[in-house]
Amino acid sequence: GIQVEQSPPDLILQEGANSTLRCNFSDSVNNLQWFHQNPWGQLINLFYIPSGTKQNGRLSATTVATERYSLLYISSSQTTDSGVYFCAVGGSNYKLTFGKGTLLTVNP
Amino acid sequence: DTGVSQDPRHKITKRGQNVTFRCDPISEHNRLYWYRQTLGQGPEFLTYFQNEAQLEKSRLLSDRFSAERPKGSFSTLEIQRTEQGDSAMYLCASSVKRDWQFFGPGTRLTVL
Repeated sequence: GIQVEQSPPDLILQEGANSTLRCNFSDSVNNLQWFHQNPWGQLINLFYIPSGTKQNGRLSATTVATERYSLLYISSSQTTDSGVYFCAVGGSNYKLTFGKGTLLTVNP
Repeated sequence: DTGVSQDPRHKITKRGQNVTFRCDPISEHNRLYWYRQTLGQGPEFLTYFQNEAQLEKSRLLSDRFSAERPKGSFSTLEIQRTEQGDSAMYLCASSVKRDWQFFGPGTRLTVL
């Protein structure tokens, strides 16, 4: 099956800093989603981005499908951005394969 | 649209008991997925329905696990003879075609 690797595993920032999270995957994909998991366990959709670039406020994402990676950018981070960020990919079948996540801590 | 809902949100049970979880997908989403997440890990795929048909089951889904989606609407996931290793967050998601999967809040199972 598809392998998904996320880096870094942990990231600590001061409020206002920018960050880049990376997701590498091992095969071609039809679906790639970025999620933020809040402290209660809810997975919040950030982006559906199997290719290209999208922006939503302070967040943006880029997927280079031919090179099998995706990047999530967080600008001007806030304490409420803290949590685990997951990348998940789907291949020719329908299931999502998740990475192990990046734990982001934003300190005031 | 209301989101994906799951019930119960928390379940504590004793080893050997049976438990059943329910998932209500976003209306008109014909695809429904179950995942399991253990502490410190990403969610792992368990099974997938298109309408009422169960099209794929993971090897993680032992014989003690069964899932149904009668009439292609809500789904139930039953675990028989629970074991301590079944303790996890059980997540349900729904989608239209191969599009965004939207996740519910999850059911956190603790097996004592």
